Amino acid sequence: ELKVEQNPLFLSMQEGKNYTIYCNYSTTSDRLYWYRQDPGKSLESLFVLLSNGAVKQEGRLMASLDTKARLSTLHITAAVHDLSATYFCAVLLAGTASKLTFGTGTRLQVTL
Amino acid sequence: EAGVTQFPSHSVIEKGQTVTLRCDPISGHDNLYWYRRVMGKEIKFLLHFVKESKQDESGMPNNRFLAERTGGTYSTLKVQPAELEDSGVYFCASSQNRLAANEQFFGPGTRLTVL
Repeated sequence: ELKVEQNPLFLSMQEGKNYTIYCNYSTTSDRLYWYRQDPGKSLESLFVLLSNGAVKQEGRLMASLDTKARLSTLHITAAVHDLSATYFCAVLLAGTASKLTFGTGTRLQVTL
Repeated sequence: EAGVTQFPSHSVIEKGQTVTLRCDPISGHDNLYWYRRVMGKEIKFLLHFVKESKQDESGMPNNRFLAERTGGTYSTLKVQPAELEDSGVYFCASSQNRLAANEQFFGPGTRLTVL
């Protein structure tokens, strides 16, 4: 059974600081997704990582994937208040094209 | 382009009652998924439709849950009879092509409270 562990569960950070969210998964996967959720809203797709060594960046967020270590990171650079949200990683089991297995989510709070 | 929509946004029912949730996927998306998040836990997969066919229903918790997608367009998820542990947020998602990145686009969810 695929297990996805995400940490930390909660992250309070000051504006301007850098931090990293980690996502570990237990079995082979060739697709990893990062989503953002604002309270009461949809899960918004941030990144799709398809191969080992993939790195994608959008604004202050950068995601990377190491399939050998079964690890993805979401790095936040110079955080701003607008980034406050819950971030989820989700993994698609290799050889399947259906269900995503989600991490527990990281609730990020950026303080002024 | 309209995103995935879900109705209702909230539902409060009593134990033993029936509730039907509806999901309208993005137009042209053959794949439709249901997930739910029980309070304090992970978002968990329930099932996957390809057009009107159930491709994978391994996540459906028990036979009180019935999902349909007649005509391959919108889908409904019925819970009958509802139990307290069914409370949570039910998300629907859709995607266009199983062979591509298979990016799933999520709706805002239906928050179900069973009293």
